[in-house]
Amino acid sequence: GQNIDQPTEMTATEGAIVQINCTYQTSGFNGLFWYQQHAGEAPTFLSYNVLDGLEEKGRFSSFLSRSKGYSYLLLKELQMKDSASYLCAPLDSNYQLIWGAGTKLIIKP
Amino acid sequence: GAVVSQHPSWVICKSGTSVKIECRSLDFQATTMFWYRQFPKQSLMLMATSNEGSKATYEQGVEKDKFLINHASLTLSTLTVTSAHPEDSSFYICSADDSSDYNEQFFGPGTRLTVL
Repeated sequence: GQNIDQPTEMTATEGAIVQINCTYQTSGFNGLFWYQQHAGEAPTFLSYNVLDGLEEKGRFSSFLSRSKGYSYLLLKELQMKDSASYLCAPLDSNYQLIWGAGTKLIIKP
Repeated sequence: GAVVSQHPSWVICKSGTSVKIECRSLDFQATTMFWYRQFPKQSLMLMATSNEGSKATYEQGVEKDKFLINHASLTLSTLTVTSAHPEDSSFYICSADDSSDYNEQFFGPGTRLTVL
């Protein structure tokens, strides 16, 4: 079956760094997306990885290891507005996004 | 960037009525659009995949006669919740595929449906 595993909730301090891990099992693989979702809003795109390695985009970086079925999202210089849910979503062989419940990130001053 | 709109953003209706939600890609053509439903504190659940000019593909457990999807043009898909009941109250989100190399989906802002 297809499965996404992320921590349910994480807490971090403003200005710090946090890493959100994701392991996945899918029928085929065509890349992995990270989305941010604030409460009551739709998801917004953060990153896409299809090859192994680290993709850096400003304060956010995303890493992928296809052989391990593993990805992480790294958030640096945390700001209060980063409090949201972070969704790891791989694309399966049918190019369908597989969604987990996401990780709720709480930023404290 | 690609923009997707949804209308209405919030709707309250009586049990037994039908509600239509529109999803539009504003600055690109979307051959494929997706309809999701999300209950509080739960993950996004794909309801159906809508392809322009053809019938939608529904996920297992989603009643096609209850959730009518029409994708008549490359920029518009509609979801009609027929004979809505309180258990249909949820956050409905559409997304559109811009057909780029990596099939990024752009999400609409969502529609919050409350059925009384």
